[in-house]
Amino acid sequence: QVQLQESGPGLVKPSETLSLTCTVSGGSISGYYWSWIRQPPGKGLEWIGYVHYTGNTRYNPTLKSRATISVDTSKSQFSLKLSAVTAADTAVYYCVRDGSSPSNHDYHGMDVWGQGTTVTVSS
Amino acid sequence: DIQMTQSPSTLSASVGDRVTITCRASQTISNWLAWYQRKPGKAPKVLIYKASSLESGVPSRFSGSGSGTEFTLTISSLQPDDFATYYCQQYSSYRTFGQGTKVEIK
Repeated sequence: QVQLQESGPGLVKPSETLSLTCTVSGGSISGYYWSWIRQPPGKGLEWIGYVHYTGNTRYNPTLKSRATISVDTSKSQFSLKLSAVTAADTAVYYCVRDGSSPSNHDYHGMDVWGQGTTVTVSS
Repeated sequence: DIQMTQSPSTLSASVGDRVTITCRASQTISNWLAWYQRKPGKAPKVLIYKASSLESGVPSRFSGSGSGTEFTLTISSLQPDDFATYYCQQYSSYRTFGQGTKVEIK
């Protein structure tokens, strides 16, 4: 059974870069798309972006190029960097398995989620 | 970017009730829509994909319909296990979630 585990600092200072890593265990990172999702306190889910195991990426345009997602298949990990953070980036961050095909016809939704990690932006 | 609007934000219902949740897209998304159920402290679970396809293992009391910009999730007879928060998610262009609908006990 595939499991995902987020790791990284729980506190980041304003204007600095948030860095998180997701480790995939119990299954292969190859063949899939991997997303980062966040949920600010009292708000809904926001998709940040995804990375394909080949390294191809797509991002939420509303983040204005602050997000970078990368993958390291040798370590079965993918990572998120979010630059120039503000208090508005305070959220629970989730890593998620986000399908295996570029075709919408074969997409069954985000089927594996990490437990989430809380990141607070504060000085 | 595509915005997803769910209604209502909260719904009070009793066991056995028929429940309907609506999700509207700011532009057409064909039928590229998924529905999730989320319980406190747990990861979201996929219920429906491609607007109306039931994910394997999901009870048949859940159904989805719609295309274009308006979609619905229906629970035909609400069960105690169904009290949760439900999200829609479009995958026509990137990914966007609705803000969620909490189904609570009346």
